Amino acid sequence: AQSVTQLDSQVPVFEEAPVELRCNYSSSVSVYLFWYVQYPNQGLQLLLKYLSGSTLVKGINGFEAEFNKSQTSFHLRKPSVHISDTAEYFCAVSDRSPNNNDMRFGAGTRLTVKP
Amino acid sequence: DGGITQSPKYLFRKEGQNVTLSCEQNLNHDAMYWYRQDPGQGLRLIYYSQIVNDFQKGDIAEGYSVSREKKESFPLTVTSAQKNPTAFYLCASSPTGGASHGYTFGSGTRLTVV
Repeated sequence: AQSVTQLDSQVPVFEEAPVELRCNYSSSVSVYLFWYVQYPNQGLQLLLKYLSGSTLVKGINGFEAEFNKSQTSFHLRKPSVHISDTAEYFCAVSDRSPNNNDMRFGAGTRLTVKP
Repeated sequence: DGGITQSPKYLFRKEGQNVTLSCEQNLNHDAMYWYRQDPGQGLRLIYYSQIVNDFQKGDIAEGYSVSREKKESFPLTVTSAQKNPTAFYLCASSPTGGASHGYTFGSGTRLTVV
């Protein structure tokens, strides 16, 4: 079974500063990796996903993430954040089995961008 | 536009009552899921269904029930056996054939016991 650990429950940053949200996963098989964003009182929206190929994945809203197989990590980064990036971010993992739809989510990281 | 509709957005339940949360999708997805979200605990899987007329328990199914009579609909009933039902409930769907597509989520229902 897979599991995900998001290393920071809260990350406060100032506007226009860079940010990194950390995610480590555990799995005995090859995986797909995802980052989702949740704004207050809303559902989750897919930011980006790693399926195969280039380990640097670009997503919406200027976010990117890097898959590091040796460190079993998939950290999310943005070079310059805006107030509107304030939200909760979830890392998720799923194994690559063709018939598997199971996805495991981390506990979330609350990003607060201050003016 | 295709998507998932959850209703109601807010729901209040008295002690001892059963309540049903609605989830409808027009994405033609085979698989549907119910998650419970509590502060600091992320998403926990309640039930999932990969095909009509079939569903499986997730990690926290006790006190909940579901049905899947139509591909588009996956309602969740929170029964009186669920001792702490106050939470944010999220419905999601995905195509079958692996999780590479990711999930599409509804906007959630916030349930409060009064």
